[in-house]
Amino acid sequence: GEKVEQHESTLSVREGDSAVINCTYTDTASSYFPWYKQEAGKGLHFVIDIRSNVDRKQSQRLIVLLDKKAKRFSLHITATQPEDSAIYFCASASSGSWQLIFGSGTQLTVMP
Amino acid sequence: DMKVTQMPRYLIKRMGENVLLECGQDMSHETMYWYRQDPGLGLQLIYISYDVDSNSEGDIPKGYRVSRKKREHFSLILDSAKTNQTSVYFCASSFRDNTLYFGAGTRLSVL
Repeated sequence: GEKVEQHESTLSVREGDSAVINCTYTDTASSYFPWYKQEAGKGLHFVIDIRSNVDRKQSQRLIVLLDKKAKRFSLHITATQPEDSAIYFCASASSGSWQLIFGSGTQLTVMP
Repeated sequence: DMKVTQMPRYLIKRMGENVLLECGQDMSHETMYWYRQDPGLGLQLIYISYDVDSNSEGDIPKGYRVSRKKREHFSLILDSAKTNQTSVYFCASSFRDNTLYFGAGTRLSVL
């Protein structure tokens, strides 16, 4: 079946540095790529997404890049803060599909 | 207040017992989901519901069934629970834009 691979299972950065989390997908029909954040003991919540009609999207300190040729997308968190520490999940969906396929998650730790 | 509520938060059951996990949402979302989360595997979709009595299997439906009799309520049932169903279960809902709203999860241990 279709897959989303999340390359970093853990990532540690110093406060103020940037963090980058990379994902690749297999379904060429994928057109929607959201990112979710899970803090310890809680459910996931949506942070940012990108659709296939653009290759870059920014929301404050979060930047998502999409490379459709390489079937790769990435989340960049700039000027990291301790509260950015969490598990981040990438996901993808095909156009018209309600089903998201999730990556396995990246545990980000921001060290003071 | 936009919320997805899961009950109970923690549950311990013996193998062979029946399990009922409940989920409610106050956003009138049509679509609701049940996922399980296991270490290293991310989230796996068990069932998706498009509205009342309109349910479809996800990627791992075996051993589970669901019930949706009201739009705001979606239940996951394990008939005769197995030890490999020990996991964290998440319910989610969405409107029409693919953005999912998740509950806080139910941690189920089957002994």
